[in-house]
Order: sequence, then C-alpha cells, then structure tokens
Amino acid sequence: AQTVTQSQPEMSVQEAETVTLSCTYDTSESNYYLFWYKQPPSRQMILVIRQEAYKQQNATENRFSVNFQKAAKSFSLKISDSQLGDTAMYFCAFMNPGGKLIFGQGTELSVKP
Amino acid sequence: DSGVTQTPKHLITATGQRVTLRCSPRSGDLSVYWYQQSLDQGLQFLIQYYNGEERAKGNILERFSAQQFPDLHSELNLSSLELGDSALYFCASSARSSSYNEQFFGPGTRLTVL
Repeated sequence: AQTVTQSQPEMSVQEAETVTLSCTYDTSESNYYLFWYKQPPSRQMILVIRQEAYKQQNATENRFSVNFQKAAKSFSLKISDSQLGDTAMYFCAFMNPGGKLIFGQGTELSVKP
Repeated sequence: DSGVTQTPKHLITATGQRVTLRCSPRSGDLSVYWYQQSLDQGLQFLIQYYNGEERAKGNILERFSAQQFPDLHSELNLSSLELGDSALYFCASSARSSSYNEQFFGPGTRLTVL
C-alpha cells in the first residue's frame, strides 16, 4: 500500500524568506504523480504544484518549486519569498494509477511579518 | 473557485440520524471523488464514481453510501451517524477516470454530529 509521510507538523518562516517542507512516500509503482496542496483557513483545497514521476526535471510554479528524488522517494516543496498569504496547511499527496489521492498528515506553515 | 459545488456548507445533526451531502462536478467532468477530513484520520479517500458507476472504494464505512446520477451530480449518504463521523467532507472532480488527471476540490461540507 502507498503511504505518504510529512515529518514536520508545524513550521514557521519570516516573510520574504525561503522555507522547505519535507515529504516522503512509499510505493511499488513505477509511474505516478505527486502533488502539493494548500489548505488556507477557509479550508478550500488548492493545488500548488504537480510532479510526474517519469519526469526528471523538478516542477516549478512561480515561487513554488519541488525537489523530487525518485530513488529516495522524497518530494519536498520550497517556497521562496514567503508571503503572509502562504500561511496555510500544506499537504503532500500521491496519486495511484486508479486516480485515488493519498495524503500525508500535513504541515502547518505560519509566515510571520 | 474550482467549479465544483457542494451543499450544504454546514450540517449539524444528532447521533443516529441520516444525512445526504450533495456534489456537482465541474462542467464536463465525469469522475467524482469523495474525501473525509477529520482530526483523527486526516484526509482520506472514501469512494470514486465515473459516469455513474463506482470505480474505487477506500476507507468508507458500511454505514456510508454514495451514488452518481445521470446528470453527473453525486450524493454521499451517511446513516446511523456517530460522534466520530464529524468531519469535513470534500468532493472533487476530474475529467476522466484514469490516473494523472488533476482533481478539483469543492469547498467541502462540514458535518457536526452532536
């Protein structure tokens, strides 16, 4: 069975600084997708970034980028130039071939002014 | 706005009762997924429907059932409710049933069982 682990329940960062959120996963699949979702206080689930396992190049979306290490089954999220609006719960997720999303426990990020 | 709608936004009910949560997917999306977010269990996949047919089941209790109608909206039925069923229930939709399609999440229905 696939599992996703986020080992940092809480993190904080100063505005304009850079922060990295960690995620590891376990699977026997060779092809899959990985995601980072953001859940602000409104509770809406917002897709931040997506990585296809067959692509070696790390995905980037503006201030958000990932460090995907397939052999190590690691998928960290880097947020550059942190903004107050980045304060949220962040979930790492694995998508299996059937399309089911498996989520980690989440990391609560606080961006401080 | 993801284009996925869920009603109601909030639901407060008593133990032993039955409730129905409704989800309308994005226009054109055929696949609907239900997830439960609780303090104890985190975010868990419950069930998936594609074009009216059940495609996958996750950690869904026997007291819970779902269906997808011809107009593609979906309903999640929760019966014999217990305190532990209190959670945020999300619906998500995607274009196809196969993997690697982005899922768009609705705003969720917060269920409180007293």
